Amino acid sequence: AQSVTQLDSHVSVSEGTPVLLRCNYSSSYSPSLFWYVQHPNKGLQLLLKYTSAATLVKGINGFEAEFKKSETSFHLTKPSAHMSDAAEYFCVAPSAGSGYALNFGKGTSLLVTP
Amino acid sequence: EAGVAQSPRYKIIEKRQSVAFWCNPISGHATLYWYQQILGQGPKLLIQFQNNGVVDDSQLPKDRFSAERLKGVDSTLKIQPAKLEDSAVYLCASSGRQGAPYEQYFGPGTRLTVT
Repeated sequence: AQSVTQLDSHVSVSEGTPVLLRCNYSSSYSPSLFWYVQHPNKGLQLLLKYTSAATLVKGINGFEAEFKKSETSFHLTKPSAHMSDAAEYFCVAPSAGSGYALNFGKGTSLLVTP
Repeated sequence: EAGVAQSPRYKIIEKRQSVAFWCNPISGHATLYWYQQILGQGPKLLIQFQNNGVVDDSQLPKDRFSAERLKGVDSTLKIQPAKLEDSAVYLCASSGRQGAPYEQYFGPGTRLTVT
């Protein structure tokens, strides 16, 4: 079974500065991992996914994440924050159930200040 | 393509009342999920359908929650009777792209407030 831990519940950055949202995973085998974003009053949207093909994964809106097996981490980064990046971000792993449901972390709220 | 549709967007009820939510997945998506997202937490799976059959309902409180997906398309989720702790956003998601079972598309959710 795979589980994820998001290390920060809130992150605040200034517009134009780098973004780092941290996620550690727990798995006994090579996992699939995802980052989803949830803007206020909008549905969850897939940002990017890791499925063992490449350790550096590029997603939408300039976000990327690096899978580091030695650190069991899958941190989300962006070189320069934009005001529109303010949202809730979830690190996600497949659940242990019989289907293809997702197991969400508790989320990190990203605040971008002018 | 049209996204996942949900209605209503907001619902306020008193405890012990009943409520129903509706979801229309992306056309052609065989798999449909209902998640519950309590404020400040990540979504938690309630039930998963594959076409019109239940794949996983292990976390559905079956004494008060029920769900169906007649004809393998639309789905309804019902709560009867509601409790205060049921206040949450109820998210519907669907998936169906070949080779990408975990790539789920979410609707905007229904925000339920139980008073």
